[in-house]
Amino acid sequence: GDSVTQMEGPVTLSEEAFLTINCTYTATGYPSLFWYVQYPGEGLQLLLKATKADDKGSNKGFEATYRKETTSFHLEKGSVQVSDSAVYFCALSDKRNYGGSQGNLIFGKGTKLSVKP
Amino acid sequence: NAGVTQTPKFRVLKTGQSMTLLCAQDMNHEYMYWYRQDPGMGLRLIHYSVGEGTTAKGEVPDGYNVSRLKKQNFLLGLESAAPSQTSVYFCASSPRGQNTEAFFGQGTRLTVV
Repeated sequence: GDSVTQMEGPVTLSEEAFLTINCTYTATGYPSLFWYVQYPGEGLQLLLKATKADDKGSNKGFEATYRKETTSFHLEKGSVQVSDSAVYFCALSDKRNYGGSQGNLIFGKGTKLSVKP
Repeated sequence: NAGVTQTPKFRVLKTGQSMTLLCAQDMNHEYMYWYRQDPGMGLRLIHYSVGEGTTAKGEVPDGYNVSRLKKQNFLLGLESAAPSQTSVYFCASSPRGQNTEAFFGQGTRLTVV
């Protein structure tokens, strides 16, 4: 079945450092891809998304490009801030999974990012 | 905008007790989901619904039941709570369609002692 694999954390960076969180997926169709962020004590919220190959999603300085040839959707930010400390989830949506035990939304296990001043 | 609202936010249960978690969304979304989040396990899908009156089992459905009697509400029930059900529970909803995002509630922290 479809799956999402993202790098394990935790990731600890100094403020203004460059961030990359790797995400790869397995899907037989053409899923949509998402990055969600979870700040401490809160629910998940959408950070960015891409719906087809070569699309680039961006928001709040974060970017990710849908790479079908490498089945990847890596999250990047050029200069992280302390306020970016959170857990980041890569996810895919595939409507063909409706009715199955995974449902249509499949999440990676999350990567905890800590940014030190 | 209220979005997705979960009640209660915190609860402590004794082993064997029952309870119902309520999820309400005001965005007229077709799909609703219940997840549990445990350290190191990410999000695991418990049950979900693709429309009023329909439900489907997710990855970890045992020990839980759900109902979707109204489009805007999705209830998660624990008939006989066990310590293994200590977790943070998240409800989410999404519109019909593949390219749409899911909206999450703030979570319910449940402890079973």
